[in-house]
Amino acid sequence: QVQLVQSGAEVKKPGSSVKVSCKASGGSFTSYAISWVRQAPGQGLEWVGRIIPLLGMTHYAQKFQGRLTVTADKSTSTAYMELGSLISDDTAVYYCVRDHGTSNQFDPWGQGTLVTVSS
Amino acid sequence: DIQMTQSPSSLSASVGDRVTITCRPSQTISTYLNWYQQKPGQAPKLLIFGASSLQSGIPSRFSGSGSGTDFTFTISSLQPEDFATYYCQQSYDTPFTFGQGTRLEIK
Repeated sequence: QVQLVQSGAEVKKPGSSVKVSCKASGGSFTSYAISWVRQAPGQGLEWVGRIIPLLGMTHYAQKFQGRLTVTADKSTSTAYMELGSLISDDTAVYYCVRDHGTSNQFDPWGQGTLVTVSS
Repeated sequence: DIQMTQSPSSLSASVGDRVTITCRPSQTISTYLNWYQQKPGQAPKLLIFGASSLQSGIPSRFSGSGSGTDFTFTISSLQPEDFATYYCQQSYDTPFTFGQGTRLEIK
């Protein structure tokens, strides 16, 4: 049973960067992809980006191009999402989720990491 | 990007009711359509994948159907624990976009 455990909440200044980790256990880290999804307070779900750890291949939502980096460390089964040039609108809960199967379905999800951007 | 139009945005219903939510992508996506449930303060949970396949451990009162550009999610008989927000998501192509959500409330 795959489980994803994320790093703790962060408070960041505008213009800075944040790096969130997502450690997988209970399965083969190289047999699936990891996606990142965020949810601003009271809002819906927004896909941020994705990595296929086996290949190191990434895909990013266009709106984050240039300030988003998603990486994976196969030796520790940990994925990372780093978002730079933070603005207040980046305040959200960031989830990592296993992205796998015949329909690229998202399951299971990490517990979420609240990133607050405030001066 | 594929835009997902989900309706209604909110819905009031009673325990025992049958409810239906629709999702329409802006282009054909075959059956690359998934449905999630989210309760306040929790991560989303996968209910249906591939438009109609029930995720393991999910009660059979949840179902999905459709293909191409027209999808439906149904709860056959609402239970108290089903009051939550539901999202559709296309996984045909990145970015993997979500519908805006349907908030299901108790009448």
